[in-house]
Amino acid sequence: SYELTQPPSVSVSPGQTASITCSGDRLGDKFTCWYQQKSGQSPVLIIYQDNKRPSGIPERFSGSNSGNTATLTISGTQPMDEADYYCQAWDTNVVFGGGTKLTVL
Amino acid sequence: EVQLAESGGGSVQPGGSLRLSCAASGFTFSYYWMHWVRQAPGKGLVWVSRINIDGRRTTYADFVEGRFTISRDNGKNTLHLQMNSLRAEDTAVYYCVRRRPGNDDAFDIWGQGTMVTVSP
Repeated sequence: SYELTQPPSVSVSPGQTASITCSGDRLGDKFTCWYQQKSGQSPVLIIYQDNKRPSGIPERFSGSNSGNTATLTISGTQPMDEADYYCQAWDTNVVFGGGTKLTVL
Repeated sequence: EVQLAESGGGSVQPGGSLRLSCAASGFTFSYYWMHWVRQAPGKGLVWVSRINIDGRRTTYADFVEGRFTISRDNGKNTLHLQMNSLRAEDTAVYYCVRRRPGNDDAFDIWGQGTMVTVSP
């Protein structure tokens, strides 16, 4: 079955750029999306179709996808961005990455 | 306001059954594919099942193994998940989610989730 691999954790200082990767076989041939899940809350879609932002999502969130890796980039990271982030793609079925805990310190 | 509200979770013994429901409001329910996604305590998101707009096409994750049935009632704007032969590993928060329009499986609306606990 298809697998997506994310680093378990990423740390970033406030105001700096955070990058979270998601790896999968020929992932660049598929659409990837990203979700943010804050503690005790439901996930929120922040990137779809590799690099599009839903209405209301800040411009500091961006995405890219090429080769075997999709990347979520958060520019000017804020303390409120501390959360778990999940990538997702579709193979024969929907697949989620294992999630990355972003710490802002 | 666009909303999904799950209900029906609870505690059940192994081998038991539960029926989850999800009430949709604020959008034309019959236009959207719907899915269930679950999250075990402290763990990541796992896709469970999906259903097309008229309910005739359904798909399940391999671990379901014929135990769950997804269905929908477009007249009542409601999605269901019938879960039978429950196991301890089915313990999780179950989210009802809406697939956004387009040729990708991105979920733009999530419910608040309903907790299912399977234990003796």
